[in-house]
Amino acid sequence: GENVEQHPSTLSVQEGDSAVIKCTYSDSASNYFPWYKQELGKRPQLIIDIRSNVGEKKDQRIAVTLNKTAKHFSLHITETQPEDSAVYFCAALEAGYSTLTFGKGTMLLVSP
Amino acid sequence: EAQVTQNPRYLITVTGKKLTVTCSQNMNHEYMSWYRQDPGLGLRQIYYSMNVEVTDKGDVPEGYKVSRKEKRNFPLILESPSPNQTSLYFCASSLSKQGNVGYTFGSGTRLTVV
Repeated sequence: GENVEQHPSTLSVQEGDSAVIKCTYSDSASNYFPWYKQELGKRPQLIIDIRSNVGEKKDQRIAVTLNKTAKHFSLHITETQPEDSAVYFCAALEAGYSTLTFGKGTMLLVSP
Repeated sequence: EAQVTQNPRYLITVTGKKLTVTCSQNMNHEYMSWYRQDPGLGLRQIYYSMNVEVTDKGDVPEGYKVSRKEKRNFPLILESPSPNQTSLYFCASSLSKQGNVGYTFGSGTRLTVV
């Protein structure tokens, strides 16, 4: 089955800095890679996703890049704000299966 | 409002006492799934369903049962709960049967088994 590794487990930045969270996956057949944000005490919410036929996708201050050859994908947040503080999860969906495998999460702390 | 509704939000129970956590979605989604979230382990899938009467095991199905008799409902059943099932549980649904469209999660159920 799929295995997703996520780094770092915690990330502290100053407001206005950029933050990058990286994930690697094991199965080259995986074709869908979403990112979820979970604020303290709340449910995970989809913030951005990318499919295997695309190398990069942007939505305002967030972007995701995918390197299929290296089997890794990354979340980039620019001009971070305190409200970006949350746990971020990456995930991968293996082609032909219906199970999203999640990384263990990254706690992002943005200090004012 | 489009949503996934879980009940209860909090539950404390004793070992061996059967319980059911309900999950209902109003978006006519084909795909539904249950995850448990534990510190340091992230989200792990318990069971999923691609349609009515179609269910399959996820990564950690032991000790759990599910059913999908109606499209909107996907209850999680713990026949004989044990302390190692103490966790935060999330139900999720997706428009796509294959799960390759973003999940909508419920608010979560914090279960404590003593």
